[in-house]
Amino acid sequence: DGGITQSPKYLFRKEGQNVTLSCEQNLNHDAMYWYRQDPGQGLRLIYYSQIVNDFQKGDIAEGYSVSREKKESFPLTVTSAQKNPTAFYLCASSILGLAGHKNIQYFGAGTRLSVL
Amino acid sequence: AQKITQTQPGMFVQEKEAVTLDCTYDTSDQSYGLFWYKQPSSGEMIFLIYQGSYDQQNATEGRYSLNFQKARKSANLVISASQLGDSAMYFCAMRDGGATNKLIFGTGTLLAVQP
Repeated sequence: DGGITQSPKYLFRKEGQNVTLSCEQNLNHDAMYWYRQDPGQGLRLIYYSQIVNDFQKGDIAEGYSVSREKKESFPLTVTSAQKNPTAFYLCASSILGLAGHKNIQYFGAGTRLSVL
Repeated sequence: AQKITQTQPGMFVQEKEAVTLDCTYDTSDQSYGLFWYKQPSSGEMIFLIYQGSYDQQNATEGRYSLNFQKARKSANLVISASQLGDSAMYFCAMRDGGATNKLIFGTGTLLAVQP
């Protein structure tokens, strides 16, 4: 079955610690995205990547870092510089079609990050 | 700046009834796309329906239809014949016409279907 796999489902971070959230897709999509969701709010874009070895900051990139060494994988690191990391993190992917086309983003099941 | 507004924090509907979830948007782009996603309590976001700004007809996908009123900048989701499994958060989102494919989300509407 094609899809997007996020791991772990739950993650705990200690003060001053970096943690990495995994996102893998087997949909052969070029583009991948990371969103953050806080309680009672919609999703906000952290980083996105349209091609291997290239990525761009989204609206709330401070305190986060990403890499895109393989087409299938787009891990997100929450660094110690992110002072309020407790949130639900969702990874998505899409084809990189023409502007104006559907280019639907498909999502993984998410990782819930809490601070100890 | 682009913005999505969902003014209904929560809605109730009786099983088998139809329900409309409101969404208004703000953009200066001529080309854009509008999406609805469903988020059950498990957390994953499930794509429901898409409407392009140049589409002449309202989109439909099974029991879901999108009431697109371009002049009013509204893109309301209509769910017909509600089922208990429709109970979830529903998010409206907009993508601009550029190549980045970024989505802007509203704050969501929590729908509860009552038996």
